[in-house]
Amino acid sequence: NAGVTQTPKFQVLKTGQSMTLQCAQDMNHEYMSWYRQDPGMGLRLIHYSVGAGITDQGEVPNGYNVSRSTTEDFPLRLLSAAPSQTSVYFCASSKTDRGRKIPILDYTFGSGTRLTVV
Amino acid sequence: AQKITQTQPGMFVQEKEAVTLDCTYDTSDQSYGLFWYKQPSSGEMIFLIYQGSYDEQNATEGRYSLNFQKARKSANLVISASQLGDSAMYFCAMREGPRGSNTGKLIFGQGTTLQVKP
Repeated sequence: NAGVTQTPKFQVLKTGQSMTLQCAQDMNHEYMSWYRQDPGMGLRLIHYSVGAGITDQGEVPNGYNVSRSTTEDFPLRLLSAAPSQTSVYFCASSKTDRGRKIPILDYTFGSGTRLTVV
Repeated sequence: AQKITQTQPGMFVQEKEAVTLDCTYDTSDQSYGLFWYKQPSSGEMIFLIYQGSYDEQNATEGRYSLNFQKARKSANLVISASQLGDSAMYFCAMREGPRGSNTGKLIFGQGTTLQVKP
């Protein structure tokens, strides 16, 4: 099925460990982004990309790295996990929907990764 | 800086009644887009409705409608004829930046948990 695929769905890390959250989309969307969701704070933007080879920081980028070597993939790397990074992570992709009177961004979210750092 | 505020952490509604979820926003842009998403207990983000700042009419999608008051900078979601399956977290979000500089970034509110009582 077309969409945004996130892996893994669940992960437990020890403090100081590293890992990569994977995100892949097969819709040829130009924009991709990573959010974290914490109770009472909604979703906050970590990093985003407007195309292959182009990434930029969002609201809460510290402790995370990203790269975008292809249009399809946008992995999120935690280099040294900390308990403060315990959260639910969502990857999203979007493209401009030019079929509307005023073009809008059509967003698709992955199913999320629940990460616990102990 | 752009900001979304949802002041209702939790709401209750009786089945078959209508409910309004509040959302106010702050932006200096003339062109922006407002989204509502539903997040059931399973965790996925489900798109409900979109309102563009230049849209002449309030958006409607089935039982969902958006009460858009531009001068007050509010974009409240109205759910008519509530169903038990409407119990979920609801997020208001805004596309950041003017239309000509699409980056795929969204700013989210804190969310409102809606409980529908039988």
